[in-house]
Amino acid sequence: EAGVTQSPTHLIKTRGQQATLRCSPISGHTSVYWYQQALGLGLQFLLWYDEGEERNRGNFPPRFSGRQFPNYSSELNVNALELEDSALYLCASARTSGVTDTQYFGPGTRLTVL
Amino acid sequence: QKEVEQNSGPLSVPEGAIASLNCTYSDRGSQSFFWYRQYSGKSPELIMFIYSNGDKEDGRFTAQLNKASQYVSLLIRDSQPSDSATYLCAVNKDSSYKLIFGSGTRLLVRP
Repeated sequence: EAGVTQSPTHLIKTRGQQATLRCSPISGHTSVYWYQQALGLGLQFLLWYDEGEERNRGNFPPRFSGRQFPNYSSELNVNALELEDSALYLCASARTSGVTDTQYFGPGTRLTVL
Repeated sequence: QKEVEQNSGPLSVPEGAIASLNCTYSDRGSQSFFWYRQYSGKSPELIMFIYSNGDKEDGRFTAQLNKASQYVSLLIRDSQPSDSATYLCAVNKDSSYKLIFGSGTRLLVRP
């Protein structure tokens, strides 16, 4: 069974640009979660999508947005990039949206903002 | 007070020893608890999850949960140098289903 995949692996942008990150969940998983792991700050919850709908978002500004497609893949968009957006962005998927459901992580996209 | 707290380490143990990693959480309503291992530059990899009070064993790993004390731990028996990594404790506390992560404990297993 293929795991969670993310693309691109690395992304370099300049301040003010937009970044688009993509995630494909494990087959059969309907929930997709996005996390940010900035240096020294640990993993922070960004967004949760389930069945095509945004269900919850973390304490991030509106320039962080995304969507989930009918095939359950997901896209994270970051507009008006700032230097502090440089981080590893991790996508995780879960079979359902239950509180006990295990989230499995993809390899991440490392975003560097210059 | 952080929602999920872990000692940052590093915790250094000799090869073959038991490594004990601890995590405390602040929300008494927390329902599920996860341990992830993260190697430098890589994404978190699930090791174990536990929902009920007590011990849960899986190979060399044992997770322990004490909801009354709001404490969860991970024991690694027969530690190997390949176990050297950062161990992340994560808690799923409510219907938002998001994971709240601790800052991680760095484990070093000395050959």
